[in-house]
Amino acid sequence: NAGVMQNPRHLVRRRGQEARLRCSPMKGHSHVYWYRQLPEEGLKFMVYLQKENIIDESGMPKERFSAEFPKEGPSILRIQQVVRGDSAAYFCASSPSRDRSYEQYFGPGTRLTVT
Amino acid sequence: GEDVEQSLFLSVREGDSSVINCTYTDSSSTYLYWYKQEPGAGLQLLTYIFSNMDMKQDQRLTVLLNKKDKHLSLRIADTQTGDSAIYFCAESGSSASKIIFGSGTRLSIRP
Repeated sequence: NAGVMQNPRHLVRRRGQEARLRCSPMKGHSHVYWYRQLPEEGLKFMVYLQKENIIDESGMPKERFSAEFPKEGPSILRIQQVVRGDSAAYFCASSPSRDRSYEQYFGPGTRLTVT
Repeated sequence: GEDVEQSLFLSVREGDSSVINCTYTDSSSTYLYWYKQEPGAGLQLLTYIFSNMDMKQDQRLTVLLNKKDKHLSLRIADTQTGDSAIYFCAESGSSASKIIFGSGTRLSIRP
């Protein structure tokens, strides 16, 4: 039973380019959460999605960041026109249902480096 | 706003008990968690406790919650080298969807 999968594991982008991070939830899970971890810090909540629906995006920066979880395929976190301050580890988590949001299983993360 | 605080470092001798402490500010916290992160890896949920409990034990792990003081601790008995990691304290409200994390405590084990 595969866990939460994220790819790529490492991503290098130049300033101004776009970054696309993918997350496939655990089998049977329909709820996805994205978190960002800056160096030497804890994780910060960004967005919570159900398939085809954004439930809570209160942690998303107002510009350049967007997230989706289509009916088919992985959840995508998209960062446009990346800047050095976007360099971080981005973690995805999934849960089986909204009622069980306290059971969030995390993926291995994507480490984004902006040069 | 919500905040979770924990000390940055802890060093213990192999075989001793480790106690990692955490305080939080949100009085409406419903779930409190301990996660483990090994170098270059994602987070592993070690255990969680509901706010109406004051203790939870799971093999070598014991979680104590003092709701009045908003204080959470994780005790690891018989600490082993494989326990070296960063331990994150976290909390969430009743909806649980948005988890608030502390900055992590780096546990190192000395022989």
